[in-house]
Amino acid sequence: QSVLTQPPSASGTPGQRVTISCSGSSSNIGSNTVNWYQQLTGTAPKLLMYNNDQRPSGVPARFSGSKSVTSASLAISGLQSEDEADYYCGAWDDSLNAWVFGGGTKLTV
Amino acid sequence: QMQLVQSGAEVKRTGSSVKVSCKASGYTFTYSFLHWVRQAPGQALEWMGWITPLSGATNYAQKFQGRATITSDRSKSIAYMEMSSLRSEDTAMYYCARWDSSLTAFDVWGQGTMVTVSS
Repeated sequence: QSVLTQPPSASGTPGQRVTISCSGSSSNIGSNTVNWYQQLTGTAPKLLMYNNDQRPSGVPARFSGSKSVTSASLAISGLQSEDEADYYCGAWDDSLNAWVFGGGTKLTV
Repeated sequence: QMQLVQSGAEVKRTGSSVKVSCKASGYTFTYSFLHWVRQAPGQALEWMGWITPLSGATNYAQKFQGRATITSDRSKSIAYMEMSSLRSEDTAMYYCARWDSSLTAFDVWGQGTMVTVSS
């Protein structure tokens, strides 16, 4: 059971907008920033979003992030077939003194 | 460019130990925390612990305290993760990842090392 809660799956058709949620608590998302990672099948995770809503260099602008109190969201607009992957949210947990992740959301395009 | 290259896949017997390496290049090894994250087949990411190569200080997730040991060799820019008393539940892909203090995120990941534990 993951500390952060994500829906196990999400889907959309090319060009659509999809949103993936990540729910936590006051000890993690509520007091620290959220990061998102994209994991294509058979590869290592890749940093997709940091500090809640900042995109690393090279990540397309159609990816956006947000955070509100103890929840965060990742939005993907103009969905493309290459976006099909697993997406994980992560944050530091002050109570556990550990990095925690969501259970992952498998996005199907 | 920044890169983390890990050692190859391992097959181990239950009760034995495994040591996985992670060689860093393209940045100053001692300037960044190096973390280990594992992923069991079909499962989520699970944080194990970190080391700061500058001092050798470590911190572990409670679940792995006493069974995982993270070390580093500053002269070779290599970090190691050793796990003892292996059980079948430790079968997983093990990743090293660099933590960037300005991004406060894991910005570079190794390719992963598959560890299979069987009796």
